[in-house]
Formats: sequence, structure tokens, C-alpha cells
Amino acid sequence: AQSVAQPEDQVNVAEGNPLTVKCTYSVSGNPYLFWYVQYPNRGLQFLLKYITGDNLVKGSYGFEAEFNKSQTSFHLKKPSALVSDSALYFCAVRGPYTGTASKLTFGTGTRLQVTL
Amino acid sequence: DGGITQSPKYLFRKEGQNVTLSCEQNLNHDAMYWYRQDPGQGLRLIYYSQIVNDFQKGDIAEGYSVSREKKESFPLTVTSAQKNPTAFYLCASSSSGSSYNEQFFGPGTRLTVL
Repeated sequence: AQSVAQPEDQVNVAEGNPLTVKCTYSVSGNPYLFWYVQYPNRGLQFLLKYITGDNLVKGSYGFEAEFNKSQTSFHLKKPSALVSDSALYFCAVRGPYTGTASKLTFGTGTRLQVTL
Repeated sequence: DGGITQSPKYLFRKEGQNVTLSCEQNLNHDAMYWYRQDPGQGLRLIYYSQIVNDFQKGDIAEGYSVSREKKESFPLTVTSAQKNPTAFYLCASSSSGSSYNEQFFGPGTRLTVL
């Protein structure tokens, strides 16, 4: 079965500094990986995904993620953090093929706190 | 939160009652999903549907039921058999044609059992 690990419950970073939110995965076959962000009491918003191709994926709001097959990682990064980036971030991996449905397995989430 | 609406935003249930959470989408998506979110546990899949009149159990389907009579609607019923229903419930949808299309999420319903 597929799984996702987000080893840090919380990441703290000062505004203007680079940020990294870590994610490692386990899946049979080709990995399809996603990052989502959740603001308090809201639904999840899609940030970016890796399907194939370039290992550096660019997404919304200046975020990017680096796919590393040998380390089975898909870390989320941003060169310069903003206070408004403070939120809960989820990594997800697509599970075994289920027809047209994109069945995802989510990590437990990492809370990002950006301070002035 | 895209074109997905969930209602109500907050729901209170007495023990032993069934309650139904509404999810509607106007994105013309074939696939729809229900997740449960608990603190520190991420999202867990309850049910999903690939097409009208079809749905499949997810990882934690016990105590829940769904229907998919219309493409736009995927209501979730939390039955009295669900032992610990207090949680944040999220509905999502995705387009067909590719099984790795991203999912779009609704704003969620917070259910509290009194």
C-alpha cells in the first residue's frame, strides 16, 4: 500500500528566509505526488503536482517542489517566506489505479509558521 | 474553494441520530470524494465515486453511507453506527480523463456530536 510521511509537525521560519517542508513517499510503480495547503477552517487548495519530467516542479504562490526518486522525497520549497504562507501543508501520493478517480493518500500535515 | 459547496458549515448531532452532509459541484467533474480530517491524522478517504450511480468504499467507510444520483451531488450520511463522528468533513472532486488530475476541495463541514 502507498504511504506518505511528513516528518515535521511544525516548521518555523522567519519572513524573507527560504522554507522547506519535507515529504517522503512509498508507492509501487510510478509516483504521482501532490502538495496542498489548508488555511484555518477551510478546504484544501492545490499547490502543485509531479507526474513526470523535470524534477523541479513550480506551482502556485511562488512554491516549488523537488522530486528525488533515489531518496523517495518530494520536498516543498519557497525561496522567500511570507507571513501569509502560514498554514497547514499536506503532501499526497496517488494510490493504485482506480479508473478515472484520482485516489490519494495524504500525509498527516506540517504546520508552517512564518514570523516577522 | 473552487466550484464546490458544502452545507452546513457547522452541524451538531445528538448521539443516535443520522445526519446528512451536502456536497454540490458545478465543475462538471465525474469523480467525487469524501474525506474525514482529524487533528494530527491528515485526511482519510471515506467514499469516492467515479460516475453517477457508482461509488466505492474508501479506507474508513464503516458507519457512513453515500449516494450519487446526480453528477453534481454526492451527499454523505453519518449514521448512528459511526462510533466517533466528531470531525471536519471535506468533499472534493476531480475531472475524468486522467487518474492523476488534482482534486478540488469544498470548504468543509464541521460535525460535532453532543
